[in-house]
Amino acid sequence: KAGVTQTPRYLIKTRGQQVTLSCSPISGHRSVSWYQQTPGQGLQFLFEYFSETQRNKGNFPGRFSGRQFSNSRSEMNVSTLELGDSALYLCASSLAGTREGPGELFFGEGSRLTVL
Amino acid sequence: KQEVTQIPAALSVPEGENLVLNCSFTDSAIYNLQWFRQDPGKGLTSLLLIQSSQREQTSGRLNASLDKSSGRSTLYIAASQPGDSATYLCAVPPGRFGNEKLTFGTGTRLTIIP
Repeated sequence: KAGVTQTPRYLIKTRGQQVTLSCSPISGHRSVSWYQQTPGQGLQFLFEYFSETQRNKGNFPGRFSGRQFSNSRSEMNVSTLELGDSALYLCASSLAGTREGPGELFFGEGSRLTVL
Repeated sequence: KQEVTQIPAALSVPEGENLVLNCSFTDSAIYNLQWFRQDPGKGLTSLLLIQSSQREQTSGRLNASLDKSSGRSTLYIAASQPGDSATYLCAVPPGRFGNEKLTFGTGTRLTIIP
C-alpha cells in the first residue's frame, strides 16, 4: 500500500514568487493536513481538508492557502514568498475521525522549500 | 491551549541500553496520543498511537504508556540500537471530534552510541 506522496521534494524560489506543493494521501484516506516545520518554531499546523472542505486552519497569513480535490489529493500554495517561508512542508493523511477520536496520522517525506 | 513538552531535548546512550523518553501535555482532555520518529531531513514515521482509554501500547521493542490524569506519556525503547538514532516526537489532537490537528512537542534527539 503506497504511503503519502509529496511533490516536489526540493525546490528553490526567490522572494516574491509563489509556489504550489502537492500531496497524494494514502488510498482511502479522506483527511489531509499540512504542517510547516522550521528549526525555530518546530512543527506548526497550517490547515486540514476533509471531503474537499477546509475543516481546520492554523495561525498563518492569507498567503498560505490550500485545496483538496475529489480524489482527496491536496495542494497548498504560498504566494509572495518571504525568506521566513523557508521550511520543510509536511503533508499527513488519515481516515476520517470517528466518535472515538481523530485517526492515526501518516506523514509524507515532505517538500523542502528554500526561499532566496 | 494545549502545550506539549518533551524533556530532555537530547539524549545519548550506549548501544544495548533500555531508555525512556518523556512527553507531558497540559490539557488532559485528549482522544489519543501519537509517537513519531523523524530522521534528519525526512518526514515523520508513526510509531505508536495510544488511545485515551488505553494505558499501554506495544510494537516490537517499543512500549508507550499514557497517564491522562497526570498529563504524561512515556516511550520505552528496549535494547537500543544505532538505527534508533533519530528525533522522537509526541503529538496530541485537541479533545474535539473531527479535528485532525495535532499539537507537537519539540522532540527528543536520541543518539545511540555504538
